[in-house]
Amino acid sequence: GAGVSQTPSNKVTEKGKYVELRCDPISGHTALYWYRQSLGQGPEFLIYFQGTGAADDSGLPNDRFFAVRPEGSVSTLKIQRTERGDSAVYLCASSDPPGELFFGEGSRLTVL
Amino acid sequence: GNSVTQMEGPVTLSEEAFLTINCTYTATGYPSLFWYVQYPGEGLQLLLKATKADDKGSNKGFEATYRKETTSFHLEKGSVQVSDSAVYFCALSPGSNYKLTFGKGTLLTVNP
Repeated sequence: GAGVSQTPSNKVTEKGKYVELRCDPISGHTALYWYRQSLGQGPEFLIYFQGTGAADDSGLPNDRFFAVRPEGSVSTLKIQRTERGDSAVYLCASSDPPGELFFGEGSRLTVL
Repeated sequence: GNSVTQMEGPVTLSEEAFLTINCTYTATGYPSLFWYVQYPGEGLQLLLKATKADDKGSNKGFEATYRKETTSFHLEKGSVQVSDSAVYFCALSPGSNYKLTFGKGTLLTVNP
Protein backbone atom coordinates (compact mmCIF):
# COMPACT_ATOMS: atom_id res chain seq x y z
CA GLY A 1 0.00 0.00 0.00
CA ALA A 2 0.89 3.66 -0.21
CA GLY A 3 0.63 4.45 3.49
CA VAL A 4 2.92 3.99 6.48
CA SER A 5 3.04 0.33 7.40
CA GLN A 6 3.81 -0.94 10.90
CA THR A 7 4.44 -4.51 12.01
CA PRO A 8 3.44 -6.32 14.07
CA SER A 9 0.04 -4.77 14.68
CA ASN A 10 -0.09 -6.54 18.04
CA LYS A 11 2.70 -7.89 20.20
CA VAL A 12 2.34 -9.62 23.55
CA THR A 13 5.53 -10.31 25.47
CA GLU A 14 6.69 -11.13 28.95
CA LYS A 15 8.42 -8.75 31.30
CA GLY A 16 12.16 -8.72 30.68
CA LYS A 17 11.99 -9.79 27.03
CA TYR A 18 13.35 -7.92 24.02
CA VAL A 19 11.03 -6.61 21.30
CA GLU A 20 11.41 -5.01 17.90
CA LEU A 21 8.78 -2.93 16.15
CA ARG A 22 9.11 -2.16 12.45
CA CYS A 23 8.02 0.84 10.43
CA ASP A 24 7.88 1.11 6.62
CA PRO A 25 7.44 4.79 5.71
CA ILE A 26 5.86 6.20 2.60
CA SER A 27 8.28 5.85 -0.29
CA GLY A 28 10.42 8.95 -0.73
CA HIS A 29 9.72 10.40 2.70
CA THR A 30 13.01 11.46 4.24
CA ALA A 31 11.74 12.13 7.75
CA LEU A 32 10.48 9.44 10.11
CA TYR A 33 9.04 9.77 13.61
CA TRP A 34 8.17 7.44 16.47
CA TYR A 35 5.51 8.30 19.03
CA ARG A 36 4.08 6.34 21.96
CA GLN A 37 0.44 6.45 23.01
CA SER A 38 -0.44 5.11 26.44
CA LEU A 39 -4.04 4.29 27.34
CA GLY A 40 -6.15 7.42 27.70
CA GLN A 41 -3.32 9.72 26.63
CA GLY A 42 -2.33 11.50 23.47
CA PRO A 43 0.72 10.40 21.50
CA GLU A 44 4.10 11.38 22.98
CA PHE A 45 7.16 12.07 20.84
CA LEU A 46 10.01 9.57 21.07
CA ILE A 47 12.48 10.13 18.22
CA TYR A 48 12.84 11.81 14.83
CA PHE A 49 15.03 10.67 11.94
CA GLN A 50 16.11 12.77 9.02
CA GLY A 51 17.57 10.31 6.57
CA THR A 52 19.64 7.71 8.41
CA GLY A 53 20.48 9.81 11.44
CA ALA A 54 18.50 10.49 14.59
CA ALA A 55 18.01 14.26 14.49
CA ASP A 56 16.21 14.34 17.83
CA ASP A 57 16.00 11.43 20.30
CA SER A 58 15.06 13.53 23.31
CA GLY A 59 11.77 11.69 23.82
CA LEU A 60 13.25 8.24 24.38
CA PRO A 61 12.39 7.49 28.03
CA ASN A 62 15.59 5.64 28.96
CA ASP A 63 18.47 3.62 27.53
CA ARG A 64 16.31 0.49 27.12
CA PHE A 65 14.81 2.16 24.06
CA PHE A 66 16.75 2.45 20.83
CA ALA A 67 15.79 3.05 17.21
CA VAL A 68 17.63 2.66 13.92
CA ARG A 69 17.07 3.57 10.30
CA PRO A 70 20.19 2.20 8.58
CA GLU A 71 19.28 2.86 4.96
CA GLY A 72 17.10 5.91 5.42
CA SER A 73 13.87 4.03 4.81
CA VAL A 74 12.63 1.28 7.14
CA SER A 75 13.06 1.93 10.85
CA THR A 76 13.09 -0.43 13.82
CA LEU A 77 12.27 0.55 17.38
CA LYS A 78 14.01 -1.76 19.85
CA ILE A 79 13.05 -2.18 23.48
CA GLN A 80 15.27 -4.16 25.82
CA ARG A 81 14.24 -5.73 29.15
CA THR A 82 10.62 -4.75 28.67
CA GLU A 83 8.60 -3.56 31.65
CA ARG A 84 4.83 -3.51 32.19
CA GLY A 85 4.92 0.29 31.91
CA ASP A 86 6.13 -0.04 28.32
CA SER A 87 2.68 -1.32 27.31
CA ALA A 88 1.30 1.18 24.80
CA VAL A 89 0.57 1.73 21.14
CA TYR A 90 3.73 2.71 19.28
CA LEU A 91 3.03 4.98 16.34
CA CYS A 92 5.27 5.67 13.39
CA ALA A 93 4.89 8.62 11.01
CA SER A 94 6.76 9.84 7.97
CA SER A 95 6.89 13.09 6.06
CA ASP A 96 8.53 14.89 3.18
CA PRO A 97 9.54 18.01 5.13
CA PRO A 98 8.08 20.52 5.58
CA GLY A 99 4.93 18.59 4.65
CA GLU A 100 2.44 16.96 6.96
CA LEU A 101 3.09 13.84 8.99
CA PHE A 102 1.40 10.63 7.81
CA PHE A 103 0.82 8.14 10.61
CA GLY A 104 0.62 4.37 10.53
CA GLU A 105 -2.01 2.42 12.46
CA GLY A 106 0.43 1.60 15.20
CA SER A 107 1.85 -1.46 16.94
CA ARG A 108 0.09 -2.36 20.18
CA LEU A 109 2.59 -3.72 22.71
CA THR A 110 1.40 -5.56 25.79
CA VAL A 111 3.95 -6.56 28.43
CA LEU A 112 2.67 -9.19 30.84
CA GLY B 1 7.31 23.17 28.70
CA ASN B 2 4.65 22.87 26.03
CA SER B 3 1.26 21.40 26.86
CA VAL B 4 -2.20 20.99 25.35
CA THR B 5 -5.44 20.69 27.28
CA GLN B 6 -8.54 19.60 25.46
CA MET B 7 -12.12 18.96 26.39
CA GLU B 8 -12.71 15.68 28.16
CA GLY B 9 -14.94 13.25 26.35
CA PRO B 10 -16.76 11.33 25.38
CA VAL B 11 -19.03 13.66 23.41
CA THR B 12 -22.25 12.24 22.00
CA LEU B 13 -24.32 14.22 19.49
CA SER B 14 -27.20 13.66 17.13
CA GLU B 15 -26.66 14.03 13.40
CA GLU B 16 -26.77 17.69 12.23
CA ALA B 17 -25.96 19.03 15.70
CA PHE B 18 -23.34 21.75 16.25
CA LEU B 19 -19.96 20.60 17.52
CA THR B 20 -17.39 22.39 19.65
CA ILE B 21 -14.33 20.70 21.12
CA ASN B 22 -12.30 23.08 23.27
CA CYS B 23 -8.52 23.18 23.15
CA THR B 24 -6.12 25.45 25.02
CA TYR B 25 -2.36 25.39 24.98
CA THR B 26 0.74 26.51 26.84
CA ALA B 27 3.86 27.21 24.82
CA THR B 28 6.74 29.61 24.48
CA GLY B 29 6.96 31.61 21.29
CA TYR B 30 4.57 31.10 18.41
CA PRO B 31 3.71 27.43 17.90
CA SER B 32 1.82 25.94 15.00
CA LEU B 33 -1.51 24.38 16.01
CA PHE B 34 -3.16 21.27 14.64
CA TRP B 35 -6.23 19.09 14.89
CA TYR B 36 -5.72 15.41 14.11
CA VAL B 37 -8.48 12.83 13.74
CA GLN B 38 -8.39 9.07 14.22
CA TYR B 39 -11.24 7.15 12.66
CA PRO B 40 -11.94 3.62 13.93
CA GLY B 41 -9.29 1.19 12.70
CA GLU B 42 -7.20 3.88 11.00
CA GLY B 43 -4.07 5.92 11.73
CA LEU B 44 -4.02 9.53 12.85
CA GLN B 45 -4.79 11.99 10.04
CA LEU B 46 -4.21 15.71 9.90
CA LEU B 47 -7.60 17.45 9.87
CA LEU B 48 -6.53 21.09 9.82
CA LYS B 49 -3.80 23.43 10.98
CA ALA B 50 -2.95 27.08 11.62
CA THR B 51 0.54 28.49 11.78
CA LYS B 52 0.05 32.02 13.12
CA ALA B 53 -2.29 34.08 15.25
CA ASP B 54 -5.77 34.74 13.82
CA ASP B 55 -5.28 32.10 11.09
CA LYS B 56 -8.31 29.90 10.52
CA GLY B 57 -7.75 26.29 9.52
CA SER B 58 -10.60 24.50 7.77
CA ASN B 59 -11.29 21.12 6.19
CA LYS B 60 -14.32 18.85 5.67
CA GLY B 61 -16.62 21.45 7.25
CA PHE B 62 -14.49 21.70 10.41
CA GLU B 63 -12.91 25.01 11.43
CA ALA B 64 -10.57 26.25 14.15
CA THR B 65 -9.11 29.72 14.71
CA TYR B 66 -5.71 30.36 16.31
CA ARG B 67 -6.42 32.74 19.20
CA LYS B 68 -3.20 33.91 20.79
CA GLU B 69 -4.92 36.19 23.33
CA THR B 70 -6.81 33.24 24.82
CA THR B 71 -4.21 30.56 23.81
CA SER B 72 -7.01 28.55 22.27
CA PHE B 73 -7.72 26.56 19.10
CA HIS B 74 -11.29 25.28 19.48
CA LEU B 75 -12.64 22.89 16.85
CA GLU B 76 -16.12 23.58 15.45
CA LYS B 77 -18.48 22.09 12.89
CA GLY B 78 -21.92 23.42 12.13
CA SER B 79 -23.60 20.11 11.31
CA VAL B 80 -22.00 16.80 12.24
CA GLN B 81 -22.55 13.52 10.42
CA VAL B 82 -22.40 9.93 11.60
CA SER B 83 -19.17 9.58 9.60
CA ASP B 84 -17.51 12.22 11.84
CA SER B 85 -17.47 9.73 14.72
CA ALA B 86 -13.81 9.48 15.70
CA VAL B 87 -11.21 10.55 18.27
CA TYR B 88 -10.01 14.14 17.82
CA PHE B 89 -6.60 15.32 19.04
CA CYS B 90 -5.42 18.91 19.42
CA ALA B 91 -1.66 19.35 19.03
CA LEU B 92 1.06 21.97 18.77
CA SER B 93 4.59 22.17 17.48
CA PRO B 94 7.16 24.90 17.99
CA GLY B 95 7.79 26.79 14.77
CA SER B 96 8.33 24.51 11.82
CA ASN B 97 9.57 21.66 13.99
CA TYR B 98 7.22 18.71 13.73
CA LYS B 99 7.89 17.53 17.29
CA LEU B 100 4.21 17.46 18.20
CA THR B 101 2.72 17.79 21.67
CA PHE B 102 -0.78 16.26 21.76
CA GLY B 103 -3.76 16.62 24.01
CA LYS B 104 -5.39 13.50 25.45
CA GLY B 105 -8.00 13.23 22.70
CA THR B 106 -11.79 13.57 22.64
CA LEU B 107 -14.01 10.71 21.52
CA LEU B 108 -16.94 11.95 19.42
CA THR B 109 -19.90 9.71 18.68
CA VAL B 110 -22.59 10.95 16.29
CA ASN B 111 -25.90 9.08 16.33
CA PRO B 112 -28.32 8.99 13.39
